[in-house]
Amino acid sequence: GQQVMQIPQYQHVQEGEDFTTYCNSSTTLSNIQWYKQRPGGHPVFLIQLVKSGEVKKQKRLTFQFGEAKKNSSLHITATQTTDVGTYFCAGPRNSGYALNFGKGTSLLVTP
Amino acid sequence: NAGVTQTPKFQVLKTGQSMTLQCAQDMNHNSMYWYRQDPGMGLRLIYYSASEGTTDKGEVPNGYNVSRLNKREFSLRLESAAPSQTSVYFCASSEQGSTDTQYFGPGTRLTVL
Repeated sequence: GQQVMQIPQYQHVQEGEDFTTYCNSSTTLSNIQWYKQRPGGHPVFLIQLVKSGEVKKQKRLTFQFGEAKKNSSLHITATQTTDVGTYFCAGPRNSGYALNFGKGTSLLVTP
Repeated sequence: NAGVTQTPKFQVLKTGQSMTLQCAQDMNHNSMYWYRQDPGMGLRLIYYSASEGTTDKGEVPNGYNVSRLNKREFSLRLESAAPSQTSVYFCASSEQGSTDTQYFGPGTRLTVL
């Protein structure tokens, strides 16, 4: 069945270091979405990528969608303590009405 | 505009008890979802409703039932709770389908003893 795999599962960085999480799908995706969940909170939408090779930036966050539309990455430059949380990627299920979420990458930032 | 609301926030059940988790959205969204979140397992889809009047199984539907009561409300029922159903449950909604942003509720933390 469809799967969205995410690595690493955990990442611990010092404040100011960069961070990257990777997302891989077993099938070609029409789009990929990224969500962030703060500790004790609920997932919040960050961005959606649709085009092959697409790159989008949100301040220190850079999102990429692979040329084959089977992988994606989120890169955070110069992490801050406010970046702490779990980052999820999600791709459409076959039904077209729901998403398959990856297991997430939990980021811990030490001051 | 409250977004997605869920009740209750916390619940403790004994094995075999039943309960219904309530979810409502005020964004006039067509699609609604129920997920469970367990440590290291990410968000797993239990059931979803693409539109009012329809429901479909997700990844882990066993032990659960759902009702799309109207366009606003989507409830999740545990008929006979088991310790394996201890989890955090999130409801979400989207305008229509998998190309739209999903908006999540604050979650229900359920413990089954």
